[in-house]
Amino acid sequence: GEDVEQSLFLSVREGDSSVINCTYTDSSSTYLYWYKQEPGAGLQLLTYIFSNMDMKQDQRLTVLLNKKDKHLSLRIADTQTGDSAIYFCAERNSGNTPLVFGKGTRLSVIA
Amino acid sequence: EAGVVQSPRYKIIEKKQPVAFWCNPISGHNTLYWYLQNLGQGPELLIRYENEEAVDDSQLPKDRFSAERLKGVDSTLKIQPAELGDSAVYLCASSAGQGDPETQYFGPGTRLLVL
Repeated sequence: GEDVEQSLFLSVREGDSSVINCTYTDSSSTYLYWYKQEPGAGLQLLTYIFSNMDMKQDQRLTVLLNKKDKHLSLRIADTQTGDSAIYFCAERNSGNTPLVFGKGTRLSVIA
Repeated sequence: EAGVVQSPRYKIIEKKQPVAFWCNPISGHNTLYWYLQNLGQGPELLIRYENEEAVDDSQLPKDRFSAERLKGVDSTLKIQPAELGDSAVYLCASSAGQGDPETQYFGPGTRLLVL
């Protein structure tokens, strides 16, 4: 079945850029998402990208997609302490298919 | 606009007891999901509803888990009897439908501890 892999931890200094990486196995993935989960909270959708795009920018967030390598990344510019959370990569095909999530990357921002 | 509401937020029960979780989706959202999130893992789909119809329950352990969405709005997820391995966070999400992209909005979850 489909699989989504992420590194488990990332630590950065406040003000630096963070880059969270994700790889997936399903070559027919149509939509790829980044969700943020703060302690004790549900998942908040940060951004998404269609598989026919290779980049999307939204304020401090930049998503890069390498469809050939099935690699997705999320770059957070000027990382703040409020960005400390777990970031989940997720993918799905078109149609009535469920989201498949990675295990999440815990981002720690050091002041 | 109110988000997805779940209750209770926390539940502690002894094994073999029944437990129920409640979810109220965002108003107007026809699609409702229940996810299971184990510690250190991403969410995994248990069941998806389109209005009151369960259209994907292939991952729901039907021997002990049941769900309903009467009238196509609120939903209840039940476990009977609960086992130690059921300790996890149960997340509810809703979306306006299968549009492109289908944005799912998550509730805060119910954290279950089975002793």
